Amino acid sequence: AQSVTQLDSQVPVFEEAPVELRCNYSSSVSVYLFWYVQYPNQGLQLLLKYLSGSTLVESINGFEAEFNKSQTSFHLRKPSVHISDTAEYFCAVSGTSGTYKYIFGTGTRLKVLA
Amino acid sequence: DAGVIQSPRHEVTEMGQEVTLRCKPISGHNSLFWYRQTMMRGLELLIYFNNNVPIDDSGMPEDRFSAKMPNASFSTLKIQPSEPRDSAVYFCASSFGGRQQYFGPGTRLTVL
Repeated sequence: AQSVTQLDSQVPVFEEAPVELRCNYSSSVSVYLFWYVQYPNQGLQLLLKYLSGSTLVESINGFEAEFNKSQTSFHLRKPSVHISDTAEYFCAVSGTSGTYKYIFGTGTRLKVLA
Repeated sequence: DAGVIQSPRHEVTEMGQEVTLRCKPISGHNSLFWYRQTMMRGLELLIYFNNNVPIDDSGMPEDRFSAKMPNASFSTLKIQPSEPRDSAVYFCASSFGGRQQYFGPGTRLTVL
């Protein structure tokens, strides 16, 4: 069985400041890891994913996450946030074979302040 | 690519009525997932299908909920009878090979 923990339910940060959203997972098998973003009144959009290869993955809008197997973490970072990054961010884990069912974290609400 | 299509986008109904939510997955995808999102419980997986066959319905809250996937391009989630506590946003997602799920825009259900 797998589980995901997002310890921070809300993260306020000033515009142009760096941010880190934490995600830890638990799994007895190899995993795929994902970060999804949800803007108000919208569906979830994939931000970035780790499937294999380089442990550092990046999104097109400046976010990055690093898969750390020893610490079972997949923290999301951005060096300088914008007002438009205000949204809810979900971390998810799935197995690498079989049913590919996602287990989602409880989400972190990022609020960027002017 | 039209993405995952859900209808209706908003549904308001009265307690006891039947509600049917619809989903059209991305063409070529072989897995389909139904989720429910509420403030209290977050994002919950209700059921998912692989190649039109229900694989895991352990998240379906009660017998009032049922889901079908008669073919690869259509799925329904039905609630009968509906109750106020069913009010939530229901998402459908699809994937191929499990490496990434694509979410629809959701159906916001309000049961009065």
